[in-house]
Amino acid sequence: EAGVAQSPRYKIIEKRQSVAFWCNPISGHATLYWYQQILGQGPKLLIQFQNNGVVDDSQLPKDRFSAERLKGVDSTLKIQPAKLEDSAVYLCASSSGQALGYTFGSGTRLTVV
Amino acid sequence: KQEVTQIPAALSVPEGENLVLNCSFTDSAIYNLQWFRQDPGKGLTSLLLIQSSQREQTSGRLNASLDKSSGRSTLYIAASQPGDSATYLCAVPSDDKIIFGKGTRLHILP
Repeated sequence: EAGVAQSPRYKIIEKRQSVAFWCNPISGHATLYWYQQILGQGPKLLIQFQNNGVVDDSQLPKDRFSAERLKGVDSTLKIQPAKLEDSAVYLCASSSGQALGYTFGSGTRLTVV
Repeated sequence: KQEVTQIPAALSVPEGENLVLNCSFTDSAIYNLQWFRQDPGKGLTSLLLIQSSQREQTSGRLNASLDKSSGRSTLYIAASQPGDSATYLCAVPSDDKIIFGKGTRLHILP
């Protein structure tokens, strides 16, 4: 099966600019996650979707971050405006159930200068 | 609340040696445990998934064990190679979320 696709792979922007990331999960995976991983730390959950509904966005900085999963398939994560501390790797993962494990994409490495 | 701890945080070993990475978790009521590999600035690659009913899983030079009662898992890497240098993360599901350890940074010395 095809893996989780993410784009772009790398992005460099200036602070206060906006940026968007895209994720295409494995076909049939109902659950989709966005994680933020700052250098040297473990991944931190930003938002979890079940189909096209939000299950958990408690750690999403909603004043600047937004995410959507239209039609319960692809998802986009947006940052507007970006801050220096948003520099991180943004990981997308999908799952068809916690008993079956999780599959991650290759990540998007964001640098805010 | 589930917490996952990985020891050591960093490890350097000469090429060819066997090594063990450790993972512990506080709540033993888990469905499974998953080991991932991460290269710098990249995504996570799943290495092994151990179901709660299993004691171990093997893939090539990798062997992962699971002891639910003691809340521990180990990842054994045989005959290490420079290409094994990466960060290794263990993760368990909790309330349909993934709880990660902070990882072990492994460096294999040529």
